[in-house]
Amino acid sequence: DVKVTQSSRYLVKRTGEKVFLECVQDMDHENMFWYRQDPGLGLRLIYFSYDVKMKEKGDIPEGYSVSREKKERFSLILESASTNQTSMYLCASSLEGSSSYEQYFGPGTRLTVT
Amino acid sequence: GDSVTQMEGPVTLSEEAFLTINCTYTATGYPSLFWYVQYPGEGLQLLLKATKADDKGSNKGFEATYRKETTSFHLEKGSVQVSDSAVYFCALGTGRGYQKVTFGTGTKLQVIP
Repeated sequence: DVKVTQSSRYLVKRTGEKVFLECVQDMDHENMFWYRQDPGLGLRLIYFSYDVKMKEKGDIPEGYSVSREKKERFSLILESASTNQTSMYLCASSLEGSSSYEQYFGPGTRLTVT
Repeated sequence: GDSVTQMEGPVTLSEEAFLTINCTYTATGYPSLFWYVQYPGEGLQLLLKATKADDKGSNKGFEATYRKETTSFHLEKGSVQVSDSAVYFCALGTGRGYQKVTFGTGTKLQVIP
């Protein structure tokens, strides 16, 4: 089974702090994604990566950056956390070339910025 | 662009009731369609999928049929259980943008004994 793990389930940070969210997948998937999930808004794509060191902006990249130095690891960085970044963050991965585009999700990190 | 519209919740049903959660989509080309489920405190899990028109996806008693003529992918289950209480997301995937998937806003289902 594909396993996607995220470094923390719950995180509390102060406004202005730099925050790192880590995601690791163990199935050699080329594509990795970061979403945030908010009530009434569903999942919104922040960034995705289709290869090591490659990244593309999603729908809401402002205030975020990403890093992918190894194929299995995709990090989301909040350069200066703000209260409006309080949310559930979900990481996902998928296999490039798959005809079904199925994504596999981690358990999520609930981030609170105070 | 691509979009998914699903019925707003929450939906509250008694155990053993029939469930329908409506989902319609807008996409160019021929997307793959998915239903994901999110149990409390967890990430999303793929529930079922269909990759072409008239395909029926099924899993754990849930079914959905890919209807190209009505651009719909409604989720159904004949008899829900308390353990089905979760948030259900309809989604579509296309060949553009490195396999990006577009998600609906989610429908919360609560099943009461």
